[in-house]
Amino acid sequence: EAGVVQSPRYKIIEKKQPVAFWCNPISGHNTLYWYLQNLGQGPELLIRYENEEAVDDSQLPKDRFSAERLKGVDSTLKIQPAELGDSAVYLCASSLRRVTDTQYFGPGTRLTVL
Amino acid sequence: DQQVKQNSPSLSVQEGRISILNCDYTNSMFDYFLWYKKYPAEGPTFLISISSIKDKNEDGRFTVFLNKSAKHLSLHIVPSQPGDSAVYFCAASAKTGANNLFFGTGTRLTVIP
Repeated sequence: EAGVVQSPRYKIIEKKQPVAFWCNPISGHNTLYWYLQNLGQGPELLIRYENEEAVDDSQLPKDRFSAERLKGVDSTLKIQPAELGDSAVYLCASSLRRVTDTQYFGPGTRLTVL
Repeated sequence: DQQVKQNSPSLSVQEGRISILNCDYTNSMFDYFLWYKKYPAEGPTFLISISSIKDKNEDGRFTVFLNKSAKHLSLHIVPSQPGDSAVYFCAASAKTGANNLFFGTGTRLTVIP
């Protein structure tokens, strides 16, 4: 069974440019998560989807970050415009349902903003 | 405010010996705890979990111990193998609410052959 797929794996952009990350969860997983991992830190939740509904986006900086999960399958996370402090690894995870189920992570996208 | 803390950023252990990784938490609402293992350039991989109704869970070479009164958990790896060298993250969630995971900062384990 394929795991969580993310692309691109690496992205380098100039500050103030837009950037988008894509995630395809494990087939059949209804819940999808986007996490931010700064260097030397653990992952921090940005947004959680249950099917196509964003049920928790309290940690998403909405002035520059946006996300969507059309049709309740794959998802896109966007930053516009990117700032130097956005340099980090963006991880996507999925689980079968909301409660008790293990979250499976993708390999992440490493973003470098110059 | 860090609700899950891993105070040891690194740990080195000889192959065949026991590795003990520690984790503390502050939120008394947490009732489910997990350990994830992360290799470079990969996402975290689920390793083992424990519910707050238990104080021990074992899976092969990996055992997690939970001390609720101390708000402390530990991961024991016996015997340690070079392939265990990775960053280990402790995570916690409150199942009565959402399944949002709160992660510690990780401990880098190096198993010396």
